[in-house]
Amino acid sequence: QLQLQESGPGLVKPSETLSLTCTVSGGSISSSSYYWGWIRQPPGKGLEWIGSIYYSGSTYYNPSLKSRVTISVDTSKNQFSLKLSSVTAADTAVYYCARDLRGFWSGLNYYYYYYMDVWGKGTTVTVSS
Amino acid sequence: QSALTQPASVSGSPGQSITISCTGTSSDVGGYNYVSWYQQHPGKAPKLMIYDVSKRPSGVSNRFSGSKSGNTASLTISGLQAEDEADYYCCSYAGSSTYVFGTGTKVTVL
Repeated sequence: QLQLQESGPGLVKPSETLSLTCTVSGGSISSSSYYWGWIRQPPGKGLEWIGSIYYSGSTYYNPSLKSRVTISVDTSKNQFSLKLSSVTAADTAVYYCARDLRGFWSGLNYYYYYYMDVWGKGTTVTVSS
Repeated sequence: QSALTQPASVSGSPGQSITISCTGTSSDVGGYNYVSWYQQHPGKAPKLMIYDVSKRPSGVSNRFSGSKSGNTASLTISGLQAEDEADYYCCSYAGSSTYVFGTGTKVTVL
């Protein structure tokens, strides 16, 4: 059974870089069908997609965060990571990692999908001095 | 890329049906059949309920159904149960390999 677990500091100072890691267990991060994504949720607010990465390192980012976000992958550790620079109090949120299905080959046909089907439990990050 | 618009709250009595709307634009909801819906109980991670507008993952009750017309997608919960009380978020593919989420709807079972 695939599981995702977020880890990282719960407190980050303003202007510093937030760093989180998502460890994938029960399956391989190198699966050809899946990307791996980060989503966040500020206290009392809605979900916001941050970005997603393929095991090859191909990335897609939310345009509103793109200038501050870097997502990387370490296939040897079955992990992917998020770095968010120059954080402010507005970056305080629960950060989730999730498996992001984008599509797969069946014979000669490629089928597109776009949804996130397995989520980690989330980790709370507070930005405060 | 603006958040999709959902009603802040929807309520219904046990056994009733409710519908949650999710309005976007031709660049997201209206442009692709890649709308998904997520259920989130307090303090928990979101759970996928619907994908590709109307498809249910294995294990999700058939009381949940999805549809789309133009730039608006909808999630219907029939035979409302106490356990359905939660927040619900729509999400749409928005082109260029990006996603946009809805503002979220709190469902209350009266």
